[in-house]
Amino acid sequence: SALTQPASVSGSPGQSITVSCTGTSSDVGPYNLVSWYQQHPGKAPRLMLYEVNKRPSGISYRFSGSKSGNTASLTISGLQAEDEADYYCCSYATSKTYVFGTGTKVTVL
Amino acid sequence: EVQLLESGGGLVQPGGSLRLSCAASGFTFGAYAMSWVRQAPGKGLEWLSGIGGDGETTHYADSVKGRFTISRDNSKSTLYLQLNSLRAEETAIYYCAKDLGYLIDTVALGSWGQGTLVTVSS
Repeated sequence: SALTQPASVSGSPGQSITVSCTGTSSDVGPYNLVSWYQQHPGKAPRLMLYEVNKRPSGISYRFSGSKSGNTASLTISGLQAEDEADYYCCSYATSKTYVFGTGTKVTVL
Repeated sequence: EVQLLESGGGLVQPGGSLRLSCAASGFTFGAYAMSWVRQAPGKGLEWLSGIGGDGETTHYADSVKGRFTISRDNSKSTLYLQLNSLRAEETAIYYCAKDLGYLIDTVALGSWGQGTLVTVSS
């Protein structure tokens, strides 16, 4: 079953926002294997974070991640207009599969 | 530069079959696990299947297990997905994605293709 994310989160430029990703003891809970993806309309997803809080080359330090229990979180600090997009979390599961979150639309006011 | 180019999508009737391909370039294809992910119109991402770098290990989401088959030809740097018994609700863009690691256990899909549209309709 898909991980649970809020449908939408918004913030003003320069502010910080946090997107949550709630799973279970069969996916998010047991592993530090959570990734986050950014997707702009009509575009392919882009990896923003992996292993909870690691940033691939080229990803801004403004993106950070954390995890507590069955819930992972993505924080975007210093919100910019270009951050407006859909964001998806993804976790490894005990079934040896990957499971995505329901997705969150981030709006920059 | 990593490039992934999907092909093989199109219109297929319910119950029909299709074979998708993903041509890879810009990296040592056999050194990385690969996955297929789909996105129905206006909906979220759904991981379908993954395959290890050597092609020996495969995993599937319950929603497609027994109907879809993932495979790869490392000599051709190409990933495949055989789709059988397709349903109308499986109309979606199908993406291939390159993992950061050799095994299907990182959840880190670092590179994506632009996707190929599969439409299941009579």
